[in-house]
Amino acid sequence: AQSVTQLGSHVSVSEGALVLLRCNYSSSVPPYLFWYVQYPNQGLQLLLKYTTGATLVKGINGFEAEFKKSETSFHLTKPSAHMSDAAEYFCAVSDRRNTPLVFGKGTRLSVIA
Amino acid sequence: KAGVTQTPRYLIKTRGQQVTLSCSPISGHRSVSWYQQTPGQGLQFLFEYFSETQRNKGNFPGRFSGRQFSNSRSEMNVSTLELGDSALYLCASLNTGGGEAFFGQGTRLTVV
Repeated sequence: AQSVTQLGSHVSVSEGALVLLRCNYSSSVPPYLFWYVQYPNQGLQLLLKYTTGATLVKGINGFEAEFKKSETSFHLTKPSAHMSDAAEYFCAVSDRRNTPLVFGKGTRLSVIA
Repeated sequence: KAGVTQTPRYLIKTRGQQVTLSCSPISGHRSVSWYQQTPGQGLQFLFEYFSETQRNKGNFPGRFSGRQFSNSRSEMNVSTLELGDSALYLCASLNTGGGEAFFGQGTRLTVV
């Protein structure tokens, strides 16, 4: 069975600082990996995904993530945080077998001016 | 392309009542999943429908049910509402080719 662990339920950074949100996954098969963002009282919006190929994936709003098979990680980064990045971020894994996406518990990102 | 549409956005119901939520997926997507989101439990998978058949089911009591119509629109129903059913209910339309799910805005259900 797949699982996702997001380290840190709350991360706080200064505006302009590096954003690093951690995600480790467990999957018995090569996974599909996703990052989603959720603003208050909204649905989840896809930031980026990894399926195959290049392990460094670029997404929307300047975010990127790197798939590291040896570390079973898919950490999300952004070089310079903006106030508008304050939201909840979810990492998700799929085993490509028509089974539901499995989500981590989420990391709330706060950006301090 | 229109996104995933969920109606209504907000609902207030009384304990013991039942409720029906609706979801229209992205055109051409045949898979619809439902999730319950609460502060304590996070995102929990309810069920998934594909071509009018329930393909996957989460660990929720039988009070939670769903269905999918031939046009891929889906409904979920919760009977005999409990206070603990208060949550944001999210519907997701699945791109079976790429594996990603596209979410609606959600329905905020409050049970009083």
